[in-house]
Amino acid sequence: AQKVTQAQTEISVVEKEDVTLDCVYETRDTTYYLFWYKQPPSGELVFLIRRNSFDEQNEISGRYSWNFQKSTSSFNFTITASQVVDSAVYFCALSAPNTGFQKLVFGTGTRLLVSP
Amino acid sequence: GAVVSQHPSRVICKSGTSVKIECRSLDFQATTMFWYRQFPKQSLMLMATSNEGSKATYEQGVEKDKFLINHASLTLSTLTVTSAHPEDSSFYICSARDEGLSGSASDTQYFGPGTRLTVL
Repeated sequence: AQKVTQAQTEISVVEKEDVTLDCVYETRDTTYYLFWYKQPPSGELVFLIRRNSFDEQNEISGRYSWNFQKSTSSFNFTITASQVVDSAVYFCALSAPNTGFQKLVFGTGTRLLVSP
Repeated sequence: GAVVSQHPSRVICKSGTSVKIECRSLDFQATTMFWYRQFPKQSLMLMATSNEGSKATYEQGVEKDKFLINHASLTLSTLTVTSAHPEDSSFYICSARDEGLSGSASDTQYFGPGTRLTVL
């Protein structure tokens, strides 16, 4: 069985601070995908990134960066110079071959509050 | 690309009525769509997997007669909450799986904006 743990329930920062959202996953599969989604107050889940298990390169997209470490089963997400618009709930998720990579196993989410 | 729409965004109905929610993939075809339910300040709970041209697959504990799913085309899935009761009030979100045919990230679920259902 797969499991995704986001231990941080809520994080509050002041604008321009850097913040890291932790994600730890469990799976026995060697092939899997990891995802991050953003859910702003409007409710829609916005796709941020997909990473397959064979690609451990860190990725940077603007102020967003992701650190994938198989050795610690972690896929952490860092926002640099946070902005008020970054306030949202962020979900980490995993998909695995036992469901044909169809089903997503979600973490419980981390609520990020960025104040001016 | 990879846009999913959902309609309506908000619905208020009386107890006992049925409510239909539509989920459309606008710029890609999706043989598989998913329906989730989300309670306040909680994660998403998968209700069912909607397969184009065949019956939906429901998760354990989800009543298939209560939540009717139809996936009649490659771009449209509908969820009908039959004889809705106040306990069905929730935020319902659909997603569509992009299988890579459109050129965007494959095997990725793209989500609709959600439907907030309130049953009085």
